[in-house]
Amino acid sequence: NAGVTQTPKFQVLKTGQSMTLQCAQDMNHNSMYWYRQDPGMGLRLIYYSASEGTTDKGEVPNGYNVSRLNKREFSLRLESAAPSQTSVYFCASPGLAVGDTQYFGPGTRLTVL
Amino acid sequence: GNSVTQMEGPVTLSEEAFLTINCTYTATGYPSLFWYVQYPGEGLQLLLKATKADDKGSNKGFEATYRKETTSFHLEKGSVQVSDSAVYFCALNSNTGGFKTIFGAGTRLFVKA
Repeated sequence: NAGVTQTPKFQVLKTGQSMTLQCAQDMNHNSMYWYRQDPGMGLRLIYYSASEGTTDKGEVPNGYNVSRLNKREFSLRLESAAPSQTSVYFCASPGLAVGDTQYFGPGTRLTVL
Repeated sequence: GNSVTQMEGPVTLSEEAFLTINCTYTATGYPSLFWYVQYPGEGLQLLLKATKADDKGSNKGFEATYRKETTSFHLEKGSVQVSDSAVYFCALNSNTGGFKTIFGAGTRLFVKA
């Protein structure tokens, strides 16, 4: 039982390049989230998926797209990377109830030059 | 809307000192409250939680009590260790509002030997 996995762990891009961050969970949860973490900013929600087949914007969705491929997988795509997207990206998946924990992946450290 | 405010860091303490990290919240409904911890280079992981008023969450010597009257969930530990150096996030889950989990900005703790 791996919980939440993310790939890659590190990535360096040039401005304008594209890439997809992959996330998978093996807990049979309905919801999955993508956050970015910047120094002094805490966690900011980019997109979330409340269930398979649905996605919604979070606080900072501009410059990103997402795909909920199936119940296990939720990918985040940067179509044209910008230096402002340099950040650490976390995928997370909460349990079903309000009192349930969010389970986080190990993160992807992205640098855009 | 829902929000979480926690004390700014960094907090620097000597080993065996007493720790308090303040957290207050604003929420409608009946939120659950959480403390997550992030060790260097890792994702967030649950430290403790409380799902109703007057509940006390505890783990690894850390404690926090859900105070509805003061809308607070302060984190405390009687004697910190160097290994407690990390970033601590207060968070709430609510069954109202658009997003399930709201995180505070995080408080970095340094413990000196």
